[in-house]
Amino acid sequence: AQSVTQLGSHVSVSEGALVLLRCNYSSSVPPYLFWYVQYPNQGLQLLLKYTSAATLVKGINGFEAEFKKSETSFHLTKPSAHMSDAAEYFCAVSYNTNAGKSTFGDGTTLTVKP
Amino acid sequence: NAGVTQTPKFRILKIGQSMTLQCTQDMNHNYMYWYRQDPGMGLKLIYYSVGAGITDKGEVPNGYNVSRSTTEDFPLRLELAAPSQTSVYFCASRRVPNTEAFFGQGTRLTVV
Repeated sequence: AQSVTQLGSHVSVSEGALVLLRCNYSSSVPPYLFWYVQYPNQGLQLLLKYTSAATLVKGINGFEAEFKKSETSFHLTKPSAHMSDAAEYFCAVSYNTNAGKSTFGDGTTLTVKP
Repeated sequence: NAGVTQTPKFRILKIGQSMTLQCTQDMNHNYMYWYRQDPGMGLKLIYYSVGAGITDKGEVPNGYNVSRSTTEDFPLRLELAAPSQTSVYFCASRRVPNTEAFFGQGTRLTVV
């Protein structure tokens, strides 16, 4: 069965510092991987996705993620945090073979300190 | 450019009452999903549909039912509401499995 693990339910960084949010997946078939962001009282919005093209994926708002098959990881990074990046972030995996059902990690809440 | 629309945004139910959460999308997506989000638990799949007339259970279907009579609409029915169903419910749709899912704004349900 597929699963997604997000290490660290809360991450706190200073404004201007590097953001690193970790995501590992377990899968026996090639996955499609997604990062979503959720602002308070809103639905999820796509940040970026990996669908077997380039392993380094660039998304919106300066975020990027690298797919590492050997480490079964898809960590999200941003070189310089902004106050507006404070939100909850979800990593998700889905496959062509199961109706696109996504399995989500438990989420990481990012706090940005001034 | 509506995307995925959910109604209502908030609802308080008494134990044993029933209600339907509405979800409609205007993107002609075949795949639609209902998730519930509990604090610190991520999103859990309740039911999903791969097209009109086709639905199937997800991870946590007990206490819920769905129907999909049209491509646009995917209502979620709660029968005999229980406190364990207090949660935030999200509807989502996608065109095909490897594309992004579009989410509604959510319905915050409290059962008392």
